[in-house]
Amino acid sequence: AQSVTQLDSHVSVSEGTPVLLRCNYSSSYSPSLFWYVQHPNKGLQLLLKYTSAATLVKGINGFEAEFKKSETSFHLTKPSAHMSDAAEYFCVVTFSGGYNKLIFGAGTRLAVHP
Amino acid sequence: KAGVTQTPRYLIKTRGQQVTLSCSPISGHRSVSWYQQTPGQGLQFLFEYFSETQRNKGNFPGRFSGRQFSNSRSEMNVSTLELGDSALYLCASRTIDGAQYFGPGTRLLVL
Repeated sequence: AQSVTQLDSHVSVSEGTPVLLRCNYSSSYSPSLFWYVQHPNKGLQLLLKYTSAATLVKGINGFEAEFKKSETSFHLTKPSAHMSDAAEYFCVVTFSGGYNKLIFGAGTRLAVHP
Repeated sequence: KAGVTQTPRYLIKTRGQQVTLSCSPISGHRSVSWYQQTPGQGLQFLFEYFSETQRNKGNFPGRFSGRQFSNSRSEMNVSTLELGDSALYLCASRTIDGAQYFGPGTRLLVL
């Protein structure tokens, strides 16, 4: 069965320090992986996507993620957090046999302190 | 290009009523998916439409239904509303490479 596990429900960092949001997936098929961000009372915004091209994926707002097949991981990183990064982040997987059904992780709430 | 639009943005209904939500995808996108977001269950897939056909369906009761029109606009209907249907309903349209772009959502409150 396909699933996504976000290892931390809450992450707190200081402004200017690195961000690491962890995600592991389980998929019997070749997965496509995404990170989405949701600010309070807003819809979901696509940060970046992995679709079997380069394993290091760069997204918007300075975020990037690395697909590691051996570890079944797709962790999201950013070198320096900004106050505006405070939001909920979702790791998402879909697979070639599932048409376009997205499977969401439970989310990680990122807090950024001054 | 304009993004995904959803109407209405907010709705208040009472138990037993029915509701219809609307979604207009990004121009040129033919696939539309619907998701329900609640604090308890998180984000859950409802169904996906492509070229007016339902291609995939999540694990929701038959009270939840949808359709897609020839212009790719989609509607979702929930009949006999229950308190537990209170949620943010999100619509997404899909690009060829599989990425889905979400609308702002419709927040439904069932009293």
